[in-house]
Amino acid sequence: EAGVTQFPSHSVIEKGQTVTLRCDPISGHDNLYWYRRVMGKEIKFLLHFVKESKQDESGMPNNRFLAERTGGTYSTLKVQPAELEDSGVYFCASSQELASTVDEQFFGPGTRLTVL
Amino acid sequence: QKEVEQNSGPLSVPEGAIASLNCTYSDRGSQSFFWYRQYSGKSPELIMFIYSNGDKEDGRFTAQLNKASQYVSLLIRDSQPSDSATYLCAVRTSGGSYIPTFGRGTSLIVHP
Repeated sequence: EAGVTQFPSHSVIEKGQTVTLRCDPISGHDNLYWYRRVMGKEIKFLLHFVKESKQDESGMPNNRFLAERTGGTYSTLKVQPAELEDSGVYFCASSQELASTVDEQFFGPGTRLTVL
Repeated sequence: QKEVEQNSGPLSVPEGAIASLNCTYSDRGSQSFFWYRQYSGKSPELIMFIYSNGDKEDGRFTAQLNKASQYVSLLIRDSQPSDSATYLCAVRTSGGSYIPTFGRGTSLIVHP
């Protein structure tokens, strides 16, 4: 079974440009999460989809970030326009169901975004 | 604000020794506790979870939880060089939120 995949693995852009990150969750996983890790800091939650609906977007830093999950399959996270502080590793994770104490989330390898 | 604290390390132990990784958390309402292992440049991988006070053992790994002291630890017995990685502690409260709060991670180095 394929794991969570993310594309691209690395992205280097200039301040003011737009970048779109993609996440393909494990097939059949309704829950999809985006996280970000800024260098030297902890992994922080951005938002949570259940199928195509945004369940919780309390972690989105500002309106320069737009996440979508059309059709409830893959998701994209667009940053427009990118700022220097947006640099970091963006992780995607998916899980099968929430009605579980564990709700094991499977993480993708991350996209390393560098804004110059 | 919910906080999860870990010593960043690195924690260096010789091969075959017991590695002890510690994590404290601020939210007394926390219910589920997770340990992830992350090799450099790779994705975090769940290796242990615990939600009851006491010890939980899985192979060479033991998770220990003390809710009164708001403390969770991970013991790795017979440490191997392949255990060298960053170990992330994550904590989740109950009440409908399934979003974990992560610590910054502890870097473990197991030297031959």
